[in-house]
Amino acid sequence: GAVVSQHPSRVICKSGTSVKIECRSLDFQATTMFWYRQFPKQSLMLMATSNEGSKATYEQGVEKDKFLINHASLTLSTLTVTSAHPEDSSFYICSARILDGLETQYFGPGTRLLVL
Amino acid sequence: SQELEQSPQSLIVQEGKNLTINCTSSKTLYGLYWYKQKYGEGLIFLMMLQKGGEEKSHEKITAKLDEKKQQSSLHITASQPSHAGIYLCGADGSGNTPLVFGKGTRLSVIA
Repeated sequence: GAVVSQHPSRVICKSGTSVKIECRSLDFQATTMFWYRQFPKQSLMLMATSNEGSKATYEQGVEKDKFLINHASLTLSTLTVTSAHPEDSSFYICSARILDGLETQYFGPGTRLLVL
Repeated sequence: SQELEQSPQSLIVQEGKNLTINCTSSKTLYGLYWYKQKYGEGLIFLMMLQKGGEEKSHEKITAKLDEKKQQSSLHITASQPSHAGIYLCGADGSGNTPLVFGKGTRLSVIA
């Protein structure tokens, strides 16, 4: 089956630094990838839709200048949390949409970010 | 590992009719989430249930979690074309286990 990987799986950084999270579709091409955030004991919330070769579409309330998304190829999307603050600590998860006519999304294992 | 089974896999209803989607877990649920997915879009969070017997409503959608916290249902009253999409139930894995989702229920609403 389709596999989506994320790197790193967990990261600890100091406040004010930037962190880049990679999302890769390993055995298929994904024209669309989605980035989600999940705070402890809360739901997964969609942050943005990443389309290969074009600008990401951000959900309301998500700062595009803070959460930079780049979808440079059909197998890679990156999320950069700029000037991270402790409140950005969360579980970041990506998914890739496969064009199988069923709208199947495959989820990465997530990246746990802790900002000190 | 925890598994979520959804039924039915797909559903076609006439506009105005009521419908129910079920989600059954192999283990006790500590948090059950319902999401909706439209064509080409990401998952949109609908509701979260945590307590046995809990029921939440939003507009014409009601979700319930049974007392044993192993089964949840999503009920749509007087369905409309805007309700069409894929409905997914999800749960947290334990510790660092990735999220677990059901396979989804594809809902079509015809006029």
